[in-house]
Amino acid sequence: DIVMTQSPDSLAVSLGERATINCKSSQNVLYSSNKNNYLGWYQQKPGQPPKLLIYWASTRQSGVPDRFSGSGSGTDFTLTINSLQAEDVAVYYCQQYYSTPFTFGPGTRVDIK
Amino acid sequence: EVQLVESGGGLVQPGGSLRLSCEVSGFTFSDHWMSWVRQAPGEGLEWVANIKGDGSEIKYVDSVKGRFTISRDNAKNSLFLQMNSLRAEDTAVYYCARNQLDTAYRPFDNWGQGTQVIVSS
Repeated sequence: DIVMTQSPDSLAVSLGERATINCKSSQNVLYSSNKNNYLGWYQQKPGQPPKLLIYWASTRQSGVPDRFSGSGSGTDFTLTINSLQAEDVAVYYCQQYYSTPFTFGPGTRVDIK
Repeated sequence: EVQLVESGGGLVQPGGSLRLSCEVSGFTFSDHWMSWVRQAPGEGLEWVANIKGDGSEIKYVDSVKGRFTISRDNAKNSLFLQMNSLRAEDTAVYYCARNQLDTAYRPFDNWGQGTQVIVSS
């Protein structure tokens, strides 16, 4: 199974500042034939289901604000939230969909400082 | 508008059974792989099982193999999860989730609100 890790566990950022979350997979999730990284990012607010933010490591899902961006390849990935807004307070998960069982990182909680 | 609505959760004793349902609308159900994902109280997300649009392929996480069965009825736009031999560690909110396209290897682009399963004596 591919193990996903995230860092930090939590972070507090001032409104308007940048939040950076890291995700690492225990195996490469870059599929060589199509050059896609099978890596997604989700946002989960309290009492709500997760919401897909980013897929293919860097493609923003329709309707997601452009302050959210993803980067990385292979085994190391980053979610960046530029100019943090109050509504961005949530837990963020990375997920690999390269192979089953599909696995998620443990989550990173983002709060306002 | 895409909608996924789960039902069937509840309190069950260890060793008991439950059948979860997910009724969908707003898209062509048979065009998508569908998954169940669960979240234990205060914990992260765990993918449980998925099923191809025509029901011909199914995959499970090891911890539920032999106990859970995923199925679908495309005529009724419904996804199911039959859960037998339930254990305390199966306690979680169970989400129905849609794969982005009719391929297993895509992210989950729509989720239901979840249904709570509590396994306790």
